[in-house]
Amino acid sequence: GAVVSQHPSRVICKSGTSVKIECRSLDFQATTMFWYRQFPKKSLMLMATSNEGSKATYEQGVEKDKFLINHASLTLSTLTVTSAHPEDSSFYICSTGTYRDFGYEQYFGPGTRLTVT
Amino acid sequence: ELKVEQNPLFLSMQEGKNYTIYCNYSTTSDRLYWYRQDPGKSLESLFVLLSNGAVKQEGRLMASLDTKARLSTLHITAAVHDLSATYFCAVVLYNTDKLIFGTGTRLQVFP
Repeated sequence: GAVVSQHPSRVICKSGTSVKIECRSLDFQATTMFWYRQFPKKSLMLMATSNEGSKATYEQGVEKDKFLINHASLTLSTLTVTSAHPEDSSFYICSTGTYRDFGYEQYFGPGTRLTVT
Repeated sequence: ELKVEQNPLFLSMQEGKNYTIYCNYSTTSDRLYWYRQDPGKSLESLFVLLSNGAVKQEGRLMASLDTKARLSTLHITAAVHDLSATYFCAVVLYNTDKLIFGTGTRLQVFP
C-alpha cells in the first residue's frame, strides 16, 4: 500500500512562534492531500484539502491565515501553524490517496503531535 | 451536512465476550470505512464497505453496511486484549473524496 510520512513526529514550540509540518507521499504522486487535526480523545476533523499547484480548500471554521498550506510538488504538502497558541496543541494527521476500482482511498500519515507552551 | 455518530463512545468488555459498535450517518454516501487507532498513533484501515448488505470479516472483527438505514456495525467476536484501541467509522461525503469521521469508540478489553 501507499506510504505517507510526516515530519516531525513531535514538536514543542513557544506561543507566538510558527511551526511547519511536512507530509510526503512516498509511493505515488499526489495531486491532493488532506490535513486533519485531532484533539485528545476526540475524532479527526478535516481541516483542508491541499491541491498541488493551487490554493488549498479550507473547511468551514478553519482559519486559512493561521493554517498555511503549501502543496508545491506532487509528493510534498506542508502545513504551517502561524503564531501558534496553546489551543493549537493537537495531533495533526495528513493523508493522500489514490483511485482504486471502487473509488478514492486515503492513506494516512503517522501524525505530528504539536505542543504549544 | 453529513453527521456521523458512533455508539457507544466507550466500551469496556471482558475477554471472550462479543459486542457490536454502531455507526449512524445522516445523508447518502457510497462508501464507509472502519479504522483502528492505537494511542498516539495514526489510523489503520480495517474495512471498506461499498454497497447495501456488504459484510466483511477479518479475524474477530466483522463489519456490515445497511445503506437504507444509514447504519454500519462493527461486531467483535470473542474479544482479546489486543483489540483494545479506538475504532472510527468514516463516511465519504457524497460526490467528493472527503471523509467525515465518526465520534470514535474507545474499546478496552480486560481479562
